[in-house]
Amino acid sequence: DIQMTQSPSSLSASVGDKVTITCQASQDITNYLNWYQHKPGRPPKLLIYEASNSQTGVPSRFHGSGSGTDFTFTINGLQPDDFATYFCHQYAILPFTFGPGTTVDIK
Amino acid sequence: QVHLQESGPGLVKPSETLSLTCTVSGGSISSFYWNWIRQPAGKGLEWIGRIYTSGSTSYNPSLESRVTMSIDTSKKQIFLSLTSVTAADTAVYFCARSPQSIFDHWGQGTLVTVSA
Repeated sequence: DIQMTQSPSSLSASVGDKVTITCQASQDITNYLNWYQHKPGRPPKLLIYEASNSQTGVPSRFHGSGSGTDFTFTINGLQPDDFATYFCHQYAILPFTFGPGTTVDIK
Repeated sequence: QVHLQESGPGLVKPSETLSLTCTVSGGSISSFYWNWIRQPAGKGLEWIGRIYTSGSTSYNPSLESRVTMSIDTSKKQIFLSLTSVTAADTAVYFCARSPQSIFDHWGQGTLVTVSA
């Protein structure tokens, strides 16, 4: 299975901050990577697909980049609604696997 | 607006079978993959498997010997069966739709606890 690592596991930030999360795959997954936002009790929400494409309706402050084994997810100008857990997901090879998640909370 | 709702017993005894249903509303069930994913408390997500509307399935090898998925397109429902459960199967179980391999809609999840 492809192992996905994420860092940091958690971070504290303020409204307006730039937040950067990284995801690393144990082998080359080209650009077969998605990013999701998850809030407790809510369905996870797709934000970024194919490493860098924004899902319809997702605010432009969310950005994804990378290819191969190293990927970055950025929030430019953190908003109050953005405090949540973010996780990556590779779909290059079955079984699909996920990063352990990064929790973004209020500083 | 597509809505997925997981349902089923919240408590299952060890060695018994966990059975869950995912009901789709607000959209078509056809021409999509339907996935089951779980998350034990404090741990990461684990993909259990997926079923296409044709009935074709793919399972995670780690669970393949115990998992069966099925689909009823007329009722817009997807089913998960996991046999011989143990405490390690305690988790929040999600269903998710995927056109190809991108999970674009998820249910909110249902907690299943395995305990005597």
